[in-house]
Amino acid sequence: GAVVSQHPSRVICKSGTSVKIECRSLDFQATTMFWYRQFPKKSLMLMATSNEGSKATYEQGVEKDKFLINHASLTLSTLTVTSAHPEDSSFYICSARVEDRGNSPLHFGNGTRLTVT
Amino acid sequence: AQKITQTQPGMFVQEKEAVTLDCTYDTSDQSYGLFWYKQPSSGEMIFLIYQGSYDEQNATEGRYSLNFQKARKSANLVISASQLGDSAMYFCAMSPLTNSGYALNFGKGTSLLVTP
Repeated sequence: GAVVSQHPSRVICKSGTSVKIECRSLDFQATTMFWYRQFPKKSLMLMATSNEGSKATYEQGVEKDKFLINHASLTLSTLTVTSAHPEDSSFYICSARVEDRGNSPLHFGNGTRLTVT
Repeated sequence: AQKITQTQPGMFVQEKEAVTLDCTYDTSDQSYGLFWYKQPSSGEMIFLIYQGSYDEQNATEGRYSLNFQKARKSANLVISASQLGDSAMYFCAMSPLTNSGYALNFGKGTSLLVTP
């Protein structure tokens, strides 16, 4: 089946530093990838839509200068949390569709648990 | 705009029994898709089943079936013959089918615990 690989799975960083999270589609090409954020015992909230070769589309309330998204190829999207603060601690998870149509399910990476100290 | 409602924060079911997880939705889209995902404690999101708004038959995938009632705007997940490994969070989600670039909009989830 389709595989989305996300790295790292866990990261601890100090306040003020930046963290990069990679999301790769291993056996398919993805022109669009989606980045979600999940707080403990809460639902997945869409942060942004990553588009290959163009700027990401951010959801309302998500700071684009803080959460930098780069979709440089059809198999790789990265999310960089810049100048991280403790309130950025969360579970970040990326996803993509194998087939570029609405009835195709999203396949998710295993997520990245970010802890900012 | 789309809204997904899962009213059951937590559910218990005994092993080998069936359980129904509720999901209601609201949307102005004429064509839409409904999805269910399972999230174990490890955090991965596992796709379970899909139902299109124009599908006449309820979707089934192994022990999972979707009780789709369009007029009531509900898409309940039925898990038959529950297993201990079914203990997890379950999320209902939807997306319009008019544009492939749409993300999924998720409900708040239901925590299912299967007891021996």
